[in-house]
Amino acid sequence: DAKTTQPTSMDCAEGRAANLPCNHSTISGNEYVYWYRQIHSQGPQYIIHGLKNNETNEMASLIITEDRKSSTLILPHATLRDTAVYYCIVRLSNSGYALNFGKGTSLLVTP
Amino acid sequence: SAVISQKPSRDICQRGTSLTIQCQVDSQVTMMFWYRQQPGQSLTLIATANQGSEATYESGFVIDKFPISRPNLTFSTLTVSNMSPEDSSIYLCSVETFYEQYFGPGTRLTVT
Repeated sequence: DAKTTQPTSMDCAEGRAANLPCNHSTISGNEYVYWYRQIHSQGPQYIIHGLKNNETNEMASLIITEDRKSSTLILPHATLRDTAVYYCIVRLSNSGYALNFGKGTSLLVTP
Repeated sequence: SAVISQKPSRDICQRGTSLTIQCQVDSQVTMMFWYRQQPGQSLTLIATANQGSEATYESGFVIDKFPISRPNLTFSTLTVSNMSPEDSSIYLCSVETFYEQYFGPGTRLTVT
């Protein structure tokens, strides 16, 4: 799996959009970009995934650059409950493989 | 989706003993994974456990230390054997359904 690079930590004001970047410059053509988050003392939670097109669901949007070397997870209206560690993961397939967790970004949403 | 429960939720054990962690899923799943999260660290994959076959262990993890059973499509156990303080971690099981992985709440193990 390709390696990912994320900032160690970020802050965001409540109600504002949180934009979390991820660099995956060595991604190959058949690798997917996944985002998970882990709220303190809980198991990780799936957020969204994509191959090359931008994706949106009820939790977030995923923007993948045209060259697929980086992506951004967008939480459109961050709340205090979005405070968590966010993991960007590149996976060979969209199924059948374990997740290779890096260090992630610790997002703090402030009032 | 899948709902996963783990038992025990936490335990304090003495070095040299063993602990078996149970993972129960509310639906039948083929692939199940066991992860470890050491204090302040990210998750590390221990092994992949598919029903009907031997578990596949990642580098640095061996069957004698972390034996895994997968008797059916809804249940698995991970045993942490001959424990030392370095085994103090959160142990999580995970299953995959429809391109998403779901995680249990974890078992917090402290070895004294």
